[in-house]
Amino acid sequence: AQRVTQPEKLLSVFKGAPVELKCNYSYSGSPELFWYVQYSRQRLQLLLRHISRESIKGFTADLNKGETSFHLKKPFAQEEDSAMYYCALSESNTGKLIFGQGTTLQVKP
Amino acid sequence: KAGVTQTPRYLIKTRGQQVTLSCSPISGHRSVSWYQQTPGQGLQFLFEYFSETQRNKGNFPGRFSGRQFSNSRSEMNVSTLELGDSALYLCASSPWDRNYGYTFGSGTRLTVV
Repeated sequence: AQRVTQPEKLLSVFKGAPVELKCNYSYSGSPELFWYVQYSRQRLQLLLRHISRESIKGFTADLNKGETSFHLKKPFAQEEDSAMYYCALSESNTGKLIFGQGTTLQVKP
Repeated sequence: KAGVTQTPRYLIKTRGQQVTLSCSPISGHRSVSWYQQTPGQGLQFLFEYFSETQRNKGNFPGRFSGRQFSNSRSEMNVSTLELGDSALYLCASSPWDRNYGYTFGSGTRLTVV
């Protein structure tokens, strides 16, 4: 069955430390993967799409098909990065987004 | 460019009643999807509409229904409300190419008492 797993509910780091938010997926086809972010009292917004291989706000994510992972990384965390992060997989034939349970990133000063 | 607009922002309904939620997508976006967000189950797909046709449906009972109008605006209806339907209902829109990613609205917070 299609599934997205984010093993950490909470990740707490100090400002300036590297960040890695883990995401593993289970999908029989060729996945389209995304990271969404939800800042406090704001709407869910798209952060990254794996197909565009872009870097947004210093975040990058690489699709590793062998390990079925799509971890989100940033070399130096900022306090404004504190938010809830969701990894999502788009089913190719339906467009349905399957979300992980989310990881709260807390960046301490 | 206006974002995805959902109305109302908050609703309180009594068990057994029905409710209709509204979503206006970004201008030019033809795909509209609905998601239910709860603390226990997280974000779950309800259904997707494209050009007034339901293209996909999630694993929700028939009490949950929706429709899309010719201007791409969408409504979601829940009949015979149950306490467990209390949730944040999110609408998301996308251009024709879904892999572009979805833009979400702020949601409608439904509380069933």
